[in-house]
Amino acid sequence: DTAVSQTPKYLVTQMGNDKSIKCEQNLGHDTMYWYKQDSKKFLKIMFSYNNKELIINETVPNRFSPKSPDKAHLNLHINSLELGDSAVYFCASSQELPANGGELFFGEGSRLTVL
Amino acid sequence: GQQVMQIPQYQHVQEGEDFTTYCNSSTTLSNIQWYKQRPGGHPVFLIQLVKSGEVKKQKRLTFQFGEAKKNSSLHITATQTTDVGTYFCAGRFTGNQFYFGTGTSLTVIP
Repeated sequence: DTAVSQTPKYLVTQMGNDKSIKCEQNLGHDTMYWYKQDSKKFLKIMFSYNNKELIINETVPNRFSPKSPDKAHLNLHINSLELGDSAVYFCASSQELPANGGELFFGEGSRLTVL
Repeated sequence: GQQVMQIPQYQHVQEGEDFTTYCNSSTTLSNIQWYKQRPGGHPVFLIQLVKSGEVKKQKRLTFQFGEAKKNSSLHITATQTTDVGTYFCAGRFTGNQFYFGTGTSLTVIP
């Protein structure tokens, strides 16, 4: 069983569309994250939730909206997609908060291409 | 802003040669983690360093945390083709998140 699973793995869409990426973890972790990896492989945190509560909200356009229906799921909805949103989006989870040394378990990534 | 710089960006080595990647911060780090991402894959946790001057080993990999907790290094002895990938450090300052370095992409030539 995949510990952190994301769907879809690939997403190709037109500018201006709205799309969602879903993430689920079966590790029983309390904290989940969304990271964006650009074409230069730079990994930047976008959001973090702990027990369904938003704890990190980096400088991300408000077209991006995370939702955590329960602590095993963290979804990412993107409105009005732009070319610059093309990237690989990684979901991750950790048992402990980073302040307590939690190691990150990453999903396999969702590659978003905006045309 | 808080940043963790990593060098080199790319490294090509002959199989059997050693490899080192370095992370630096202008601000003291609370702890630092290292991850490996294989081509087309996702980052996988390797290790965490917490104490000043800490050194940890995993087979051919040696991880160090500087005395001032502002730098860290990952050294691979006698590289193998299975070592190919991008190595990231991720440093935490005082908050609740890790800042990833820019990564070092390692190519091992057989």
